[in-house]
Amino acid sequence: ILNVEQSPQSLHVQEGDSTNFTCSFPSSNFYALHWYRWETAKSPEALFVMTLNGDEKKKGRISATLNTKEGYSYLYIKGSQPEDSATYLCAPKGGGADGLTFGKGTHLIIQP
Amino acid sequence: EPEVTQTPSHQVTQMGQEVILRCVPISNHLYFYWYRQILGQKVEFLVSFYNNEISEKSEIFDDQFSVERPDGSNFTLKIRSTKLEDSAMYFCASKRTGLGSYEQYFGPGTRLTVT
Repeated sequence: ILNVEQSPQSLHVQEGDSTNFTCSFPSSNFYALHWYRWETAKSPEALFVMTLNGDEKKKGRISATLNTKEGYSYLYIKGSQPEDSATYLCAPKGGGADGLTFGKGTHLIIQP
Repeated sequence: EPEVTQTPSHQVTQMGQEVILRCVPISNHLYFYWYRQILGQKVEFLVSFYNNEISEKSEIFDDQFSVERPDGSNFTLKIRSTKLEDSAMYFCASKRTGLGSYEQYFGPGTRLTVT
């Protein structure tokens, strides 16, 4: 899968506010979508893997939705905290491929 | 909690030299990967490895690159003759099974600087 786009590239959010950002990908040959959270100098951390159209997944204050027909996924963070500051990467995966194709990420900064 | 480890954290080498980047995947995982990120660019897939052979590779993974699982725990990436453009952060990842929807667990990366 090519042409993975994430928007916005960076985002400044006040602590306590909720926010969301987007991952767009070609809808053909879709198999799964991975979201990762990556803090500087640490390993990218797997957040969610989604496969079905309409999937919604939640982990604490973070949730994600998937629309495979139109080729997008949203990541939501409710009540942002400073520890949410990180780069959020999406990686859709095509059928028959094992390697992940990553977007450039959304760099989220939570301001106290 | 088990994690993927990589050594060294930073490697500096001269152009034309061979480098070996090392990874210890999670112990019960069967699928292994290398990715890289050139500064300011996307994380790019290089190669996947299963059952002691390459299962998939990208266009980036040319004859200068090779991978090996020399024993039951290590997974290595060798670059035979480094070029300036090989400077990047190299990530190892592992996955438990072959089902495509399972997470790949990433190591913290090795920053390779070619001078």
